[in-house]
Amino acid sequence: KQEVTQIPAALSVPEGENLVLNCSFTDSAIYNLQWFRQDPGKGLTSLLLIQSSQREQTSGRLNASLDKSSGRSTLYIAASQPGDSATYLCAAKNFGNEKLTFGTGTRLTIIP
Amino acid sequence: EAQVTQNPRYLITVTGKKLTVTCSQNMNHEYMSWYRQDPGLGLRQIYYSMNVEVTDKGDVPEGYKVSRKEKRNFPLILESPSPNQTSLYFCASSFWDGYEQYFGPGTRLTVT
Repeated sequence: KQEVTQIPAALSVPEGENLVLNCSFTDSAIYNLQWFRQDPGKGLTSLLLIQSSQREQTSGRLNASLDKSSGRSTLYIAASQPGDSATYLCAAKNFGNEKLTFGTGTRLTIIP
Repeated sequence: EAQVTQNPRYLITVTGKKLTVTCSQNMNHEYMSWYRQDPGLGLRQIYYSMNVEVTDKGDVPEGYKVSRKEKRNFPLILESPSPNQTSLYFCASSFWDGYEQYFGPGTRLTVT
């Protein structure tokens, strides 16, 4: 059974710094891994999706990596801004399984 | 605008009173899913649907029903709600299983 962990649960960073969010998973038979952001009282917004055959994906200031052998994915945010403050969730989808397994998220606060 | 909509956004009800939360998507997606989000537990899948008239259980299906009579709609039905179903509910859709998922804004349900 896949388990997804995100540590730390909360993180505060001064504006302008680069930062890395972590996501660990127990079952390396991953089909893909997706990163989302969730703003308070809002739904989830998809940020990046990495297929199992890929090592990384980039969108603007965001870069997500996937290392199946170590069971890790990271989300790198460059030049952080107060608008990046949100909860970031990762979710893994395994082969032969129609569901996503979510981590419990990292609540990110960017300090102006 | 491509989107997933849910109604109602907020609902307070009493134990045992049947309710339906609607979900609709305008992207012609095949795959639709329902999740609940609880503090400390993250998002857990309730039911999913791969196509019209095709539905299957997720991790926590007890106490819920779904139907998929049309491609765009995927309502969640609570026949006899109980207080442990108080939660934040999300509907999601994707082009196909394994593709990027798009989430609705969420429905906050309180059962007293």
